[in-house]
Amino acid sequence: SQQGEEDPQALSIQEGENATMNCSYKTSINNLQWYRQNSGRGLVHLILIRSNEREKHSGRLRVTLDTSKKSSSLLITASRAADTASYFCATAPRMEYGNKLVFGAGTILRVKS
Amino acid sequence: NAGVTQTPKFQVLKTGQSMTLQCAQDMNHEYMSWYRQDPGMGLRLIHYSVGAGITDQGEVPNGYNVSRSTTEDFPLRLLSAAPSQTSVYFCASSSSRGAGQPQHFGDGTRLSIL
Repeated sequence: SQQGEEDPQALSIQEGENATMNCSYKTSINNLQWYRQNSGRGLVHLILIRSNEREKHSGRLRVTLDTSKKSSSLLITASRAADTASYFCATAPRMEYGNKLVFGAGTILRVKS
Repeated sequence: NAGVTQTPKFQVLKTGQSMTLQCAQDMNHEYMSWYRQDPGMGLRLIHYSVGAGITDQGEVPNGYNVSRSTTEDFPLRLLSAAPSQTSVYFCASSSSRGAGQPQHFGDGTRLSIL
């Protein structure tokens, strides 16, 4: 069963605006990751935040993690048309054997130019 | 570096046929996995491998078989295709040093079962 649930399911914004996507999960985790998927392509890893971290930045991306609420958010600032894609959160459950990740259903982001 | 390569990119099968989806990686990653992606459901883990000769089931393993004879290759076999297996299949690989390593994905195989 899915661990992560993204919200909203779809988001449409104008170029230059910020986009915020949220993810909730159910069990204790080692880390949480965000991936991007362009249409017809595989997923690409964006950023990883460990369970003992609260915030992380990478370029125009800002990720927060609240383990008490079992939730995370991904903020994309100053969005561009090229940011149009689906975004997925994935959790690495604690106590899981190997390198398993559990993915949510994703948020579809459309950036209009 | 090619990364993770999946073949074929597209395939149409008839119910009951069998086929093998190929996956190869050139990053010397120990961990490899197969997912299926269906609309509105994200990615679901089918099978995974933590190294050559070691495989295990994921969330939705029924109807699929895997083997891992080398570090580079991790083929997925559909034993007797069913329409419910129509999906996009992704192979991924990662280092196994520490839990929850970022995964590298191929571009997928789009499979239709008639």
